[in-house]
Amino acid sequence: GQSLEQPSEVTAVEGAIVQINCTYQTSGFYGLSWYQQHDGGAPTFLSYNALDGLEETGRFSSFLSRSDSYGYLLLQELQMKDSASYFCAVRASNYQLIWGAGTKLIIKP
Amino acid sequence: NAGVTQTPKFQVLKTGQSMTLQCAQDMNHEYMSWYRQDPGMGLRLIHYSVGAGITDQGEVPNGYNVSRSTTEDFPLRLLSAAPSQTSVYFCASSPTGGSYNEQFFGPGTRLTVL
Repeated sequence: GQSLEQPSEVTAVEGAIVQINCTYQTSGFYGLSWYQQHDGGAPTFLSYNALDGLEETGRFSSFLSRSDSYGYLLLQELQMKDSASYFCAVRASNYQLIWGAGTKLIIKP
Repeated sequence: NAGVTQTPKFQVLKTGQSMTLQCAQDMNHEYMSWYRQDPGMGLRLIHYSVGAGITDQGEVPNGYNVSRSTTEDFPLRLLSAAPSQTSVYFCASSPTGGSYNEQFFGPGTRLTVL
């Protein structure tokens, strides 16, 4: 079967750094995406890694290790508006994304 | 640009009823898809289309039909609604050329089947 594992909930303090991990087991692999979803909203794209290493976009970075079937999303200088659910998704074929169940990020002042 | 639009925002159906969820995009994207999201779960792909006249099944296609007569529109039809289809439905689109990575989502349709 195909599966992605990520923690269901992570708590952090405003201004701190938090890492959300994702491990995957899929029949195909083209790359790993991360999406953010606020309560009641639609997912919005954050990043995509096709090759091993770190991709940085402002306060957000994403890392991939294909040999370990593992990736993470790193959020720095946390702000209250970062409180949301974060999903990893594997592009398992040309046209299909397989999604994790999501990690709810709770930020405390 | 309006991006991806979906109608209706909310819908309540009785078991056995049929209906069509509408999705449209004005970004000239070739790829469009329908997902459902159940509480505490990620998104699951129902159907997708790589261009007008071309559709294919995703992970959970049973009970749903799609068609793609134009680049802009990608409606999802529920043939005979069941309580198990209570969910939030998202439509998404992305450009082609191998760039299926960033998908743009509509605001969602919250469907309840009684």
